[in-house]
Amino acid sequence: QITLKESGPTLVKPTQTLTLTCTFFGFSLSTSGVGVTWIRQPPGKALEWLTVIYWNDDERYSPALKSRLTITKDTSKNQVVLSMTDMDPVDTATYYCAHTTVTRISSGSYYYYYYYMDVWGKGTTVTVSS
Amino acid sequence: QSVLTQPPSVSAAPGQKVTISCSGSSSNIGSNSVSWYQQFPGAAPKLLIHDNTKRPSGIPDRFSGSKSGTSSTLGITGLQTGDEAHYYCATWDSSLLAGVFGGGTKLTVL
Repeated sequence: QITLKESGPTLVKPTQTLTLTCTFFGFSLSTSGVGVTWIRQPPGKALEWLTVIYWNDDERYSPALKSRLTITKDTSKNQVVLSMTDMDPVDTATYYCAHTTVTRISSGSYYYYYYYMDVWGKGTTVTVSS
Repeated sequence: QSVLTQPPSVSAAPGQKVTISCSGSSSNIGSNSVSWYQQFPGAAPKLLIHDNTKRPSGIPDRFSGSKSGTSSTLGITGLQTGDEAHYYCATWDSSLLAGVFGGGTKLTVL
């Protein structure tokens, strides 16, 4: 059974760096086709995709937040860490990590991605306030 | 402003069918598969549909997904009051090299 759990501070001050840890069980982040995605959701608003790290160490970031985000993995500890710099009150949200399955199929000159987040953690709420 | 466009809300009576649309572009839905998620208030999203049409184990066949061109549709038949939730579509964007979500649709079962 796959489970994920987010952990980290519930309150951060503006300009500080947020560090969240996703600890997972039931899968290995060294298995081909597997990744861990971070998603956030401000109160009453939609889901926002943040970043993903794959089994092969490939990382992708939201273009809007790329300059502020870093994702790393520790396969031996079954953990993925998200860092977000220069926090602002608008970053107040519930942050989720999710087990991700990805398959890339070559189709001529481009790739077709089968990408989905099949198991989610319960999320952790982060408030940014002085 | 979400990359994928969904109607903010839909509604239907119990027992009826409802569809939720998700519109994108050639770089996202037009190029990659779509997944759909159900989210109840205060809970984490749950995968309903992946690879455009596939249901994970345990998801009733009342839920279905389809894709045509740069749009995808989630269908729910035999509506139940327990289906009241927010529904989100998502896919990979080959231009942004990032995942993208729709703005979410609130389903009300009248």
